[in-house]
Amino acid sequence: GAGVSQSPSNKVTEKGKDVELRCDPISGHTALYWYRQSLGQGLEFLIYFQGNSAPDKSGLPSDRFSAERTGGSVSTLTIQRTQQEDSAVYLCASSYRDLNTDTQYFGPGTRLTVL
Amino acid sequence: GEDVEQSLFLSVREGDSSVINCTYTDSSSTYLYWYKQEPGAGLQLLTYIFSNMDMKQDQRLTVLLNKKDKHLSLRIADTQTGDSAIYFCAESMGGSYIPTFGRGTSLIVHP
Repeated sequence: GAGVSQSPSNKVTEKGKDVELRCDPISGHTALYWYRQSLGQGLEFLIYFQGNSAPDKSGLPSDRFSAERTGGSVSTLTIQRTQQEDSAVYLCASSYRDLNTDTQYFGPGTRLTVL
Repeated sequence: GEDVEQSLFLSVREGDSSVINCTYTDSSSTYLYWYKQEPGAGLQLLTYIFSNMDMKQDQRLTVLLNKKDKHLSLRIADTQTGDSAIYFCAESMGGSYIPTFGRGTSLIVHP
């Protein structure tokens, strides 16, 4: 079956503009995560959705960042008034939590460059 | 707080074994994972181990867990150039849905 897909694969924007990044998780996966990967850094957790529960937004770095997940499937990460420090690869992952483990399946990421 | 540490780089010769090490601080970690990231791609799960296990072997991969020292290692036997990638260690607790990732170890395999 299809894996996690993300679009666009690359996004170049000007400082101050808003951007929207999209994630299509694997069908049937109840959990969806957004991470940010900056050059030379590990994965920085941003936000987590699990079923119909309220999302865990504890990793969002500022109020310019927001995300939603419609119908328990597709998710959109929005960054308002982008800054140069927002430049990074934004990774989405989904998982189907069972009793044993929580294997995350990652998309290829969206590389965001803010000029 | 939770923290996962890895060395940033490892260079090995093709055919040798590679050992990538990871330490973590949370003693209540239940699941420990190794992910591989090839250039321009997302992370791919390689293997995972439960905290009640000491070792897990899967073809060329061997995972060793020392709970006392909170040390996890990934051994790749007969390393090939296709193994060149960034390897991430991650841990999560049973009650926590959000794994903590290390910064990743860049494995470079040279002829």
